[in-house]
Amino acid sequence: QQQVKQSPQSLIVQKGGISIINCAYENTAFDYFPWYQQFPGKGPALLIAIRPDVSEKKEGRFTISFNKSAKQFSLHIMDSQPGDSATYFCAASKSQAGTALIFGKGTTLSVSS
Amino acid sequence: NAGVTQTPKFQVLKTGQSMTLQCAQDMNHNSMYWYRQDPGMGLRLIYYSASEGTTDKGEVPNGYNVSRLNKREFSLRLESAAPSQTSVYFCASRHRGTYEQYFGPGTRLTVT
Repeated sequence: QQQVKQSPQSLIVQKGGISIINCAYENTAFDYFPWYQQFPGKGPALLIAIRPDVSEKKEGRFTISFNKSAKQFSLHIMDSQPGDSATYFCAASKSQAGTALIFGKGTTLSVSS
Repeated sequence: NAGVTQTPKFQVLKTGQSMTLQCAQDMNHNSMYWYRQDPGMGLRLIYYSASEGTTDKGEVPNGYNVSRLNKREFSLRLESAAPSQTSVYFCASRHRGTYEQYFGPGTRLTVT
């Protein structure tokens, strides 16, 4: 049973457009929701994260929107740039010590110039 | 600070061979993790170590063993490699009281 479902699998956006990636989770005990960015041949790197006590968090061009009642969260990339082309993973975890992240299957974003 | 380092970067094994993937972190983190990444599958947890001296199974532990050698090092061993273990393996670490996991650059393993 997949605990974190991510969509779409791939996304093509024009330069300057908005990229939107969605995730849904099942376990209501999750209380930390990060997004990771991964470039080819590299390890994932934390992009932005949110706790369930807020509905939105913005860092530069990247925004997480969080809907606790729907158990959904999404990543919005404003003014998408070719350098944003990468694979994006949503994840979720509980706050207990040592708890691992549960990842979505990833979204490959291509920003065309 | 090197962060999380992994060795080797690439490895080719024949079916039945054994090997150990090494991971070390210099951030004084308490928890360490091993994930595998397969196309279209995201990252799946193999084993983790919440703190020095403890290890626990993750989602896909079969065919693997781990050792938390000390606070810095967490190794992953394949005793008898199988083609199904062809994957990219990532090690990660996390500091107690925080949420962020820091990932290493990965080991690309091919089993023929």
